[in-house]
Amino acid sequence: EAGVTQFPSHSVIEKGQTVTLRCDPISGHDNLYWYRRVMGKEIKFLLHFVKESKQDESGMPNNRFLAERTGGTYSTLKVQPAELEDSGVYFCASSQPAGGPETQYFGPGTRLLVL
Amino acid sequence: AQSVTQLGSHVSVSEGALVLLRCNYSSSVPPYLFWYVQYPNQGLQLLLKYTSAATLVKGINGFEAEFKKSETSFHLTKPSAHMSDAAEYFCAVRVSGSARQLTFGSGTQLTVLP
Repeated sequence: EAGVTQFPSHSVIEKGQTVTLRCDPISGHDNLYWYRRVMGKEIKFLLHFVKESKQDESGMPNNRFLAERTGGTYSTLKVQPAELEDSGVYFCASSQPAGGPETQYFGPGTRLLVL
Repeated sequence: AQSVTQLGSHVSVSEGALVLLRCNYSSSVPPYLFWYVQYPNQGLQLLLKYTSAATLVKGINGFEAEFKKSETSFHLTKPSAHMSDAAEYFCAVRVSGSARQLTFGSGTQLTVLP
């Protein structure tokens, strides 16, 4: 079974440019999460999809960030325009509801550097 | 709101020595607790999780953790470190209920010395 994949693995852009990150969850997983780790800090939650619907986007830092999940499959996270403080590692995770706390399976992350 | 504190951003142990990575949590309701490991250039991998079924939880690769409510702790241990255990370890909490996101600690980088 393929794991969670993310593209690109690295991205270097200049301040003011736009970047789009993609996440392909494990097939059949309804839950999809985005997290971010800024250098030296903890991993922080950004938002949660259930199928194509945004369940919780309380962690999105501002309106420069736009997440979508087309048809409940893959998801994209667009940053427009990018700022220096957006640099970090963006993780995607997916899970399938279980009786208890389901395991979230993480992708390798996209390392974003804004210059 | 819940939070997680990992004591020690860097821990070094000798190969064969005990590994102890500390995690304390804060939660107003019974928590679910997780330990994840991240090897270089890989995603986070679940080591183990506490779901209230048993206070001593065994995970993969010989790791285990004990939930201590009185100490609000969920420390990760392994009796004998192996070179392949070198990685970054994250403790995370999720409260029971509708919110499903994980709240992470800041991570502990484990170095295993030969």
